[in-house]
Amino acid sequence: SQQGEEDPQALSIQEGENATMNCSYKTSINNLQWYRQNSGRGLVHLILIRSNEREKHSGRLRVTLDTSKKSSSLLITASRAADTASYFCATAGLVGGNAGNMLTFGGGTRLMVKP
Amino acid sequence: DTGVSQNPRHKITKRGQNVTFRCDPISEHNRLYWYRQTLGQGPEFLTYFQNEAQLEKSRLLSDRFSAERPKGSFSTLEIQRTEQGDSAMYLCASSPWTGSTEAFFGQGTRLTVV
Repeated sequence: SQQGEEDPQALSIQEGENATMNCSYKTSINNLQWYRQNSGRGLVHLILIRSNEREKHSGRLRVTLDTSKKSSSLLITASRAADTASYFCATAGLVGGNAGNMLTFGGGTRLMVKP
Repeated sequence: DTGVSQNPRHKITKRGQNVTFRCDPISEHNRLYWYRQTLGQGPEFLTYFQNEAQLEKSRLLSDRFSAERPKGSFSTLEIQRTEQGDSAMYLCASSPWTGSTEAFFGQGTRLTVV
């Protein structure tokens, strides 16, 4: 079963606008990661935020993590048509647990950026 | 190319046939994962290897599924007596060390059972 929910399920914006995607999860985590998937392709890792971090930046990406609310958000600033893809959050379980550090994915947000 | 490689990229098979997929991870990575992804959903964990040892299996992995990583390098995933519900993208990923870290995914094998 999937760890959590992503919101919204689909998002359509104009090029240059910002896109915000939210992710909620259910169990304690070691870290949370965001991945991008272009249609019919594999997943590409975007950014990892550890459970003791609250915010992280990478280029046009900004990720926040609120462990008290078990939620995270991904902000893409100044979006481009090439950002069109599905975005997934994934949680990694606690080290030493029987999760084996497998990733548990949400259902994804399908982002369309119109030129 | 030093990324994760999966073969074949596409497989169409008749119901009841057996299929086998191969994954070649990044060479220095000792962890290898198989995930399954159906249309419009996120990937779901199937199984995980550390070197040649299969350490975790999901309940999604029925008796018809078997995975191996005989020498701790490449891995194979076999599905016996395929069913239409097995149609999905099968993704392989590898990661380099025992701490929680990012996973590097292959392009996937898309299976269609007709």
